[in-house]
Amino acid sequence: QKEVEQNSGPLSVPEGAIASLNCTYSDRGSQSFFWYRQYSGKSPELIMFIYSNGDKEDGRFTAQLNKASQYVSLLIRDSQPSDSATYLCAGYNDYKLSFGAGTTVTVRA
Amino acid sequence: DVKVTQSSRYLVKRTGEKVFLECVQDMDHENMFWYRQDPGLGLRLIYFSYDVKMKEKGDIPEGYSVSREKKERFSLILESASTNQTSMYLCASHKVGSAMDYGYTFGSGTRLTVV
Repeated sequence: QKEVEQNSGPLSVPEGAIASLNCTYSDRGSQSFFWYRQYSGKSPELIMFIYSNGDKEDGRFTAQLNKASQYVSLLIRDSQPSDSATYLCAGYNDYKLSFGAGTTVTVRA
Repeated sequence: DVKVTQSSRYLVKRTGEKVFLECVQDMDHENMFWYRQDPGLGLRLIYFSYDVKMKEKGDIPEGYSVSREKKERFSLILESASTNQTSMYLCASHKVGSAMDYGYTFGSGTRLTVV
């Protein structure tokens, strides 16, 4: 079993809608969690990190963490075509990031 | 901004060749990492280094080795390239004490094709 599992997708949402991405993790020692966005053929870029239970908002992005349920999510509000990408969830522990396989999001105009 | 530079964007090598992938970072980061990325499998850690000449195996080290002779440079070596090593290779770095808050900084990746 992978340490970090993401909902497999692909996810297609209309422009202006909310995209909801989910991630579960098995390592209870994971201290913080990251969401990376990766455009096709490019390297991952960090968009959000969270280490406390609850919600964290940054512009159109909201990350949610529930350590009791070992669950992390990312909401993208008012989705734009430029949000079309693969989103990677990662958990950090012992100097290392463990990544999920990614969820591909397509925002249709 | 931290820069992580990978020497080649695309490489084509023959089966059995020895292949060197180079990664250089310019912000005095202690920790450096090599991942490979394959469709449906995500990023998998090959090796990482937390100091000069120090290295640790990741999840999939077989067929690879690494070298870190200087703090800013971390090399991935494919001793005898095989077709199943065709992949996107990503280098990353971070400063000790910072990753928990800020994650890694990635290089632009090297797409290696072994024929």
